[in-house]
Amino acid sequence: QSVLTQPPSASGTPGQRVTISCSGSSSNFGSNIINWYQQLPGTAPKLLIYGNNQRPSGVPDRFSGSKSGTSASLAISGLQSEDEADYYCATWDDSLNGRGVFGTGTKVTVL
Amino acid sequence: VQLLDSGGGFVQPGGSLRLSCAASGFTFSSYGMSWVRQAPGKGLEWVSGISGSGASTYYADSVKGRFTISRDNAKNTLYLQMNSLRAEDTAVYYCAKESVTAIQTRFFYWGQGTLVTVSS
Repeated sequence: QSVLTQPPSASGTPGQRVTISCSGSSSNFGSNIINWYQQLPGTAPKLLIYGNNQRPSGVPDRFSGSKSGTSASLAISGLQSEDEADYYCATWDDSLNGRGVFGTGTKVTVL
Repeated sequence: VQLLDSGGGFVQPGGSLRLSCAASGFTFSSYGMSWVRQAPGKGLEWVSGISGSGASTYYADSVKGRFTISRDNAKNTLYLQMNSLRAEDTAVYYCAKESVTAIQTRFFYWGQGTLVTVSS
């Protein structure tokens, strides 16, 4: 059971803006960065956003991230058909000895 | 950068397996590494992580006491020794490379994954 909560699904038509939330607690969001991953069917995850709002080289600027308090958001503007995938937030949790944690995942559907 | 996962297979409950991740294209000892798994049809689960030097190791509660992460920096290889395997450990296991020596779940690179199936 994940300690980071995401909505199970989100959808939009091509060109629309879609936002995915990720909710945590002070033990993980308090002093740690949030990262976002995109996973296409049958493939390994791909880093989409790191350090709360940074994009790796090659990731379109349609993707953006933000963090405030114990929640974070991933926004996809100008939605495209190839954006249909599963999206996960991830961070470090300082509880106990420390552990990595992923969000529950959000399936984005392009209508 | 290349990460090549191997060692998966079919094992009975209570059995053991050792996964390996052969790394190339970067200074292996300078980066933290993790194992992440995905059960069939389920989401991603962080399993274990190890610092670049190997001095610090971390585990998810679900595997603590049963799995051991280690690394051989001379061989550029990451390992996951899995003992007392359970049906719920059935998953694709990925190794993943950090961008720093510590563990921050900031994985720029992933292996291709290796499937572990635990069943009687």
